[in-house]
Amino acid sequence: DQQVKQNSPSLSVQEGRISILNCDYTNSMFDYFLWYKKYPAEGPTFLISISSIKDKNEDGRFTVFLNKSAKHLSLHIVPSQPGDSAVYFCAASAEASGGSNYKLTFGKGTLLTVNP
Amino acid sequence: NAGVTQTPKFQVLKTGQSMTLQCAQDMNHEYMSWYRQDPGMGLRLIHYSVGAGITDQGEVPNGYNVSRSTTEDFPLRLLSAAPSQTSVYFCASSYDRFRETQYFGPGTRLLVL
Repeated sequence: DQQVKQNSPSLSVQEGRISILNCDYTNSMFDYFLWYKKYPAEGPTFLISISSIKDKNEDGRFTVFLNKSAKHLSLHIVPSQPGDSAVYFCAASAEASGGSNYKLTFGKGTLLTVNP
Repeated sequence: NAGVTQTPKFQVLKTGQSMTLQCAQDMNHEYMSWYRQDPGMGLRLIHYSVGAGITDQGEVPNGYNVSRSTTEDFPLRLLSAAPSQTSVYFCASSYDRFRETQYFGPGTRLLVL
């Protein structure tokens, strides 16, 4: 049973437009969520995170929104740039029940392509 | 700071062979983890360690052993490789268990024939 779902395997957007990547989760114990970015032949790199006590977190062009009632989070990239083209992974942990950043549950990833 | 390093970058094994994937970090991180990435499966946690001498199982531990004799190193051992272990393996480390990101190594691509 997949606890973190990224239902869109790929997304293509034009440079300068908004990219919206979605993630759903089923485990109500998850209370900390992260987005990682991965380029080919490299390890994932941390992008942005959000705690369940917040509904929004911003870092430059990247904003993550969390809707706890819907068990849904999304990553917005504005404006999108060609260098943003990568696989984006949504991840979650259940810190309150003993989980932590070293015990993450990942989604399958979404390949974002930003066209010039 | 080299960060998290992994060796080898690529390895081909025959079914039944054993090997050790090396992982080292120079950031004095207590927490280290091993993940595997398979097509269409995302990353799945194999084993993790919260400090030297302490390890525990993750989501998919079968067929793998780990040990943590030093803070810096966290090797992953395949005792008898199987084709189902063909994957890309990532090692990660973090300083603090809460609110701290994990730093990932570049990965080891393993092919088991």
